[in-house]
Amino acid sequence: ETGVTQTPRHLVMGMTNKKSLKCEQHLGHNAMYWYKQSAKKPLELMFVYNFKEQTENNSVPSRFSPECPNSSHLFLHLHTLQPEDSALYLCASSQFPGASGTDTQYFGPGTRLTVL
Amino acid sequence: DQQVKQNSPSLSVQEGRISILNCDYTNSMFDYFLWYKKYPAEGPTFLISISSIKDKNEDGRFTVFLNKSAKHLSLHIVPSQPGDSAVYFCAASTTTSGSRLTFGEGTQLTVNP
Repeated sequence: ETGVTQTPRHLVMGMTNKKSLKCEQHLGHNAMYWYKQSAKKPLELMFVYNFKEQTENNSVPSRFSPECPNSSHLFLHLHTLQPEDSALYLCASSQFPGASGTDTQYFGPGTRLTVL
Repeated sequence: DQQVKQNSPSLSVQEGRISILNCDYTNSMFDYFLWYKKYPAEGPTFLISISSIKDKNEDGRFTVFLNKSAKHLSLHIVPSQPGDSAVYFCAASTTTSGSRLTFGEGTQLTVNP
């Protein structure tokens, strides 16, 4: 595997379910990110992890719970979601945590989430 | 308040012609700008970037122009190829914002053979 991978690619869940999204980066990077892309809207940054430590939470509701056990893996645990949470969830990684904005981010293919 | 805007949701051009994608921003603190390209079922991939100390950056068929006074940047693709058909996202950051990128909504480019 190369680059940034995400599983599952598609997920349908009910509002009472608990599920997790997984992201893995094979680039030796030290920063990882979760983004949300809703239909017809820009990508929205959700969380940033630098060297496994969360450094940014962009006012994300607590029904989204991230976990970063090491610099290569990132999870997004989902519980009691709402239909408006249906979106494409993208994971990204970059090499230099906390660097200036010139640090290029590499994205995974995303998980298409549908909440019924 | 959307700080990065791509006002054209779609653009269609003929193969071989120039494609020009536009992006406007409102935050004068932005000093680094990027373009990402996204194919269906794939994540965005980095295409080209420009620092605010420059007004042009070129990489092969792709050139990004920055007009700081107008808070406007554009991506030129010459010549356009059918494989360039994708959604193009403009993004901006500040050197003090760490890795935070602010994205535009994207423009769907279609290059017709």
